[in-house]
Amino acid sequence: RKEVEQDPGPFNVPEGATVAFNCTYSNSASQSFFWYRQDCRKEPKLLMSVYSSGNEDGRFTAQLNRASQYISLLIRDSKLSDSATYLCVVNSLNDMRFGAGTRLTVKP
Amino acid sequence: DVKVTQSSRYLVKRTGEKVFLECVQDMDHENMFWYRQDPGLGLRLIYFSYDVKMKEKGDIPEGYSVSREKKERFSLILESASTNQTSMYLCASRRDRGTYEQYFGPGTRLTVT
Repeated sequence: RKEVEQDPGPFNVPEGATVAFNCTYSNSASQSFFWYRQDCRKEPKLLMSVYSSGNEDGRFTAQLNRASQYISLLIRDSKLSDSATYLCVVNSLNDMRFGAGTRLTVKP
Repeated sequence: DVKVTQSSRYLVKRTGEKVFLECVQDMDHENMFWYRQDPGLGLRLIYFSYDVKMKEKGDIPEGYSVSREKKERFSLILESASTNQTSMYLCASRRDRGTYEQYFGPGTRLTVT
């Protein structure tokens, strides 16, 4: 079993749609969690950290469920510019583990 | 603005050649990392370094070595390149405390023929 698992997609959604990604992790001692965004042929960049209480940044909402060991990312009112691959990242004691990514394509 | 640079964006080498990939960060970060990224496999850690002259093996160190003689520079060396080392190589850095956010370089797409 992979340490961090994501649905690879692709998710193809129309502009304005709401889309949600889930990510599960196997290490119950994991301490910090992130969502990164990676555009085609570019490096990953931090989208947002994920806090236990859940957090929101504009159209993006991230949630953590420690009991079930998953994190989620919700994107509301999708824009064409949201098209990218979204990487789930889980950190425990300096050991960062990356999911393989979920590809999102937002279409006009 | 944080910056991680890598010596080449694209590189083509022949089997058996020695390959050097350089990474430089200007943020005075203690920790530096080398990953490779392959379709469907995500990022896999090759080596990392917590400090100058320190290195630790990651998940897939075989066929690679690293060097960190200065805090800002972390080099990845392929001693004898093989076709299965064709990949995207990404360098990253971060502080050794705080949010653990990693900053990535633009990547080097290496093709070994």
